[in-house]
Amino acid sequence: DVKVTQSSRYLVKRTGEKVFLECVQDMDHENMFWYRQDPGLGLRLIYFSYDVKMKEKGDIPEGYSVSREKKERFSLILESASTNQTSMYLCASSGEQGAAGGEAFFGQGTRLTVV
Amino acid sequence: AQKITQTQPGMFVQEKEAVTLDCTYDTSDPSYGLFWYKQPSSGEMIFLIYQGSYDQQNATEGRYSLNFQKARKSANLVISASQLGDSAMYFCAMREVTGNQFYFGTGTSLTVIP
Repeated sequence: DVKVTQSSRYLVKRTGEKVFLECVQDMDHENMFWYRQDPGLGLRLIYFSYDVKMKEKGDIPEGYSVSREKKERFSLILESASTNQTSMYLCASSGEQGAAGGEAFFGQGTRLTVV
Repeated sequence: AQKITQTQPGMFVQEKEAVTLDCTYDTSDPSYGLFWYKQPSSGEMIFLIYQGSYDQQNATEGRYSLNFQKARKSANLVISASQLGDSAMYFCAMREVTGNQFYFGTGTSLTVIP
């Protein structure tokens, strides 16, 4: 059974803290993604990575950075957490797009609250 | 411009009835994939169905079918014989062959009424 695992389901952090959200996949996928989900806004892409040490900005990268030192692990970093970063964070992975589908597989989500 | 548009924030359907969730997309790439995901209140994203841009027939997976109208850039999800467990958020997504990222709509909240 394919798996994308996020390190925490719920997280509460203080304003100004450095926050690490970890994501691990066991499918040997090249592509990994971090999304933020807010009511009425759907899923918005923060960053994605198509290979180890490679990353590209998504639609809302401000205030975030990422790290991909190993193929299976993709970390999202909030350098200095702010209350407007309170949200649901979803990690996903996928292989190359092809005739078979190439769908994204998601982790269970991390609900982050910044106080 | 939005890549994926879902115009129905909320929908209600009677149990055992069919329901159509709308999705339109915008791309100039001739090769792309269209996906639907279900997100129950637990928060997990569950992949439902996929349609490739070159597929001649509409995709079907059990009670789910995708009504693909390429000229209209429309990829509506049809759920037949709705069940109470179908109550969830539904997201339409697209992936272009020229890029790796997935574009998601804002979602439709479906409530199945007993």
